[in-house]
Amino acid sequence: DSGVTQTPKHLITATGQRVTLRCSPRSGDLSVYWYQQSLDQGLQFLIHYYNGEERAKGNILERFSAQQFPDLHSELNLSSLELGDSALYFCASSVDPYTGELFFGEGSRLTVL
Amino acid sequence: GENVEQHPSTLSVQEGDSAVIKCTYSDSASNYFPWYKQELGKRPQLIIDIRSNVGEKKDQRIAVTLNKTAKHFSLHITETQPEDSAVYFCAASQIGGDTGTASKLTFGTGTRLQVTL
Repeated sequence: DSGVTQTPKHLITATGQRVTLRCSPRSGDLSVYWYQQSLDQGLQFLIHYYNGEERAKGNILERFSAQQFPDLHSELNLSSLELGDSALYFCASSVDPYTGELFFGEGSRLTVL
Repeated sequence: GENVEQHPSTLSVQEGDSAVIKCTYSDSASNYFPWYKQELGKRPQLIIDIRSNVGEKKDQRIAVTLNKTAKHFSLHITETQPEDSAVYFCAASQIGGDTGTASKLTFGTGTRLQVTL
């Protein structure tokens, strides 16, 4: 158990819909990162938050948005969903942005039909 | 930005044999190189990492080597066991900077290792 909690574990929805994925980082970790992993693909960095502020953006679509709340949990919002958005979405946390190791949650598997 | 290439994409070895996975990176400023293991349906987990001030690091059956001049690094697993079967990801980043190390972590595309009996 990494200490990073993601909900929901599985989500099935239709094209055009909107979903919210939630992540609670390890206790004490201030940084939260979101990654997308499509079938048999690598880990694509989406966005990084540190102590409530956005620190870096990767290949995140405009239809996607995220935020980190004062209690440090984070939400990733995916809207106007398309079939290609089906993927495993991982949240990871670290103590600070300069710490090497990322601790990943178990992921949220999104299926868009 | 950084680009990390990883080879091979799949690797099958017999139990007890060694496995080697190779990665190359493009940004000469990268100085931190972790390896993550992802078992089927599970989350990625760090198994070993190396910083650019050393050329080799070993942890039991796992070792990583780094050649800064050639900009490549490799993961070596000796005496492979069935539980080593997983997808392995290399990554590269630069420690420090405005957004920090982990923000700039670029992953390779992964190697699916299958250890057969």
